[in-house]
Amino acid sequence: GAVVSQHPSRVICKSGTSVKIECRSLDFQATTMFWYRQFPKKSLMLMATSNEGSKATYEQGVEKDKFLINHASLTLSTLTVTSAHPEDSSFYICSARELSGGETDTQYFGPGTRLTVL
Amino acid sequence: QKEVEQDPGPLSVPEGAIVSLNCTYSNSAFQYFMWYRQYSRKGPELLMYTYSSGNKEDGRFTAQVDKSSKYISLFIRDSQPSDSATYLCAMEAIGAGNNRKLIWGLGTSLAVNP
Repeated sequence: GAVVSQHPSRVICKSGTSVKIECRSLDFQATTMFWYRQFPKKSLMLMATSNEGSKATYEQGVEKDKFLINHASLTLSTLTVTSAHPEDSSFYICSARELSGGETDTQYFGPGTRLTVL
Repeated sequence: QKEVEQDPGPLSVPEGAIVSLNCTYSNSAFQYFMWYRQYSRKGPELLMYTYSSGNKEDGRFTAQVDKSSKYISLFIRDSQPSDSATYLCAMEAIGAGNNRKLIWGLGTSLAVNP
C-alpha cells in the first residue's frame, strides 16, 4: 500500500516557540493532504485540507495564523504550529489522498507526530 | 445528532471470538465507507473500503453496508490479540470536488484477550 511519512515523530518544545511538522507521500503523488489532531481516546479532528499549489482550507474553529500549512509539491506538506502553547500539545496526524482518477481516492495516514509544549 | 455514531466501547473478547463493530449515520449522501485500524500512538491504517451497499471480504475481515438502514458493520473472524486496537469508521459523500472529506466515528476500542 501507499506510504506516508511524518517527521518528527515526537517533539518537545518550550512555550512560545514554533514547530514544523513534515508530511511526505513516499511512493505516490498526492494532490490533497489533510491535517488532523487527535486527543487521547478521542477521534480524529480534521484541522485543514491542503491542496497542492493553493491555500489550505481550514475547518471552523481552527486558527489559520496559528497553524500554518504549506503544500509546495505533490509529495510534501508542512504544518507549522506558531507560538506554541501547552494547550497545543496533541497528536498531529497527516494523511494524503492518492491520485487515482477514481470517484473517490483513498486517504493514507502518516504515523503521527506527538507534540508536547512545556 | 452527530453525522456518524460509533460506540467507543471498550469491547473485550476472548481470542478466537467473532467481533462485530458498527456505525450508524444520518447523511444519506454518504456513498463511500471505510474502516480504519489504529494502534496506540500510531496513525490510522486503512482496513476496508466499500462503495454503496453490500458486503466485502478480505481474509478474516468482512465489511457490510446497509444504506437503507444507514448502518455499517465490520466483522472480524477468529480474532487475535494482535487485533487489539481502536477501529474507526469513516465515510464520504460524492460530488464535493476538492472539498471532499471523511466524516469519522469516535472509534471503538477492542481488546482481544489470549
